[in-house]
Amino acid sequence: SQQGEEDPQALSIQEGENATMNCSYKTSINNLQWYRQNSGRGLVHLILIRSNEREKHSGRLRVTLDTSKKSSSLLITASRAADTASYFCATDNAGNNRKLIWGLGTSLAVNP
Amino acid sequence: DTEVTQTPKHLVMGMTNKKSLKCEQHMGHRAMYWYKQKAKKPPELMFVYSYEKLSINESVPSRFSPECPNSSLLNLHLHALQPEDSALYLCASSQDEGANEKLFFGSGTQLSVL
Repeated sequence: SQQGEEDPQALSIQEGENATMNCSYKTSINNLQWYRQNSGRGLVHLILIRSNEREKHSGRLRVTLDTSKKSSSLLITASRAADTASYFCATDNAGNNRKLIWGLGTSLAVNP
Repeated sequence: DTEVTQTPKHLVMGMTNKKSLKCEQHMGHRAMYWYKQKAKKPPELMFVYSYEKLSINESVPSRFSPECPNSSLLNLHLHALQPEDSALYLCASSQDEGANEKLFFGSGTQLSVL
């Protein structure tokens, strides 16, 4: 079943600009994760934010979580061509914590 | 070593062939996963092993047969596949089973079934 929905589905920006991707989900959660996937490769974990956290930073990444709106955003500042990838959010389900539920992903293109 | 190693990277097989995908991790992780991913789609969970025992089977057809020979290795045996099974197959591991765990993914096996 699909839990997260990323918005936008695709995003194209110039190098140096900021990129913002959003993720909405439907059920109560304990945590939300963001992953990056370069074309045809495995996914790389970026950040995990817990339901009692509102904001988390990691290098050029900033993640926010609004549990009242059931949404999260991933901000990449000062983007680089190497940030070109697909970005997925994934949540647990507070009622069933066994499996991650994945969003549909945002495809980000950073143009040099 | 924070790597999950998958072999082969690419595989082309006919519908009558038998082949195996292999996955290895040496991080001491107790949970290992097989995911299937179609182009431009999110990964779909297939199987979860926890402490070398099958914990979750997402109603995967029997032509896919997982095996966990030991705590570091995970195999996926393929037999009589269909063209629609062509996809990227990803192995992942985590410290323990559960959706609050950070997953470490391999680079995947791109499978084409002719």
